[in-house]
Amino acid sequence: QVQMVQSGAEVKRPGASVKVSCKTSGYIFTDYHLHWVRQAPGQGPEWMGWMNPNTGGTDYALDFQGRVTMTRDTSIRTAYLELSRLTPDDTAVYYCARQGGSGSNYKMDFDFWGQGSLVTVSS
Amino acid sequence: DIQMTQSPSSLSASVGDRVTITCRASENIRRYLNWYQQKSGKAPKVLIYGASSLQSGVPSRFSGSGSGTDFTLTISSLQPEDFATYYCQQSYQGFTFGPGTRVDIK
Repeated sequence: QVQMVQSGAEVKRPGASVKVSCKTSGYIFTDYHLHWVRQAPGQGPEWMGWMNPNTGGTDYALDFQGRVTMTRDTSIRTAYLELSRLTPDDTAVYYCARQGGSGSNYKMDFDFWGQGSLVTVSS
Repeated sequence: DIQMTQSPSSLSASVGDRVTITCRASENIRRYLNWYQQKSGKAPKVLIYGASSLQSGVPSRFSGSGSGTDFTLTISSLQPEDFATYYCQQSYQGFTFGPGTRVDIK
């Protein structure tokens, strides 16, 4: 079965960087795009960008360009999200999610998700 | 950027009620519209993709309709496990989520 297991909670100071991992199993890692979504307390989900695990290609949402880096290690089927220059507004649960289709029959949903990683930014 | 709106922002309903949630996109997104259910402390779960296709394993009381800019999610007979927050998401250009609709017990 598909599983996506994320790294644990982090507490960071303003101005620091954070790196979250997402270890996958149960499917061919390089066959599905991998997205990152965050959710601030009491807010809706916010899409951050995606990565093609096969090529390493990325596409970041405009709000995060210049501050976000998505990478992967195919040997251990793990994706990484790094976010720099953190502020208290970056306090959120960060999720990885698998894209379930490539657009055929309009299927471009997020069909499997990690459990979430809480990142708290506080001085 | 494509913006998504949802109405209502919250609703109270009883078990057995028919519930309809509306989602509107700021421009034509064809049928690239997904619906998710989220319960407290959990990741979102996809219910509907492509505006009207039921995700495998999702009960048939959930249905979706619409195309272009206007979409609806319907729960035909609300069950106790359906009390949650529902989000629409466009996947036509990027992947924007709506602000959510909270469904709670009347």
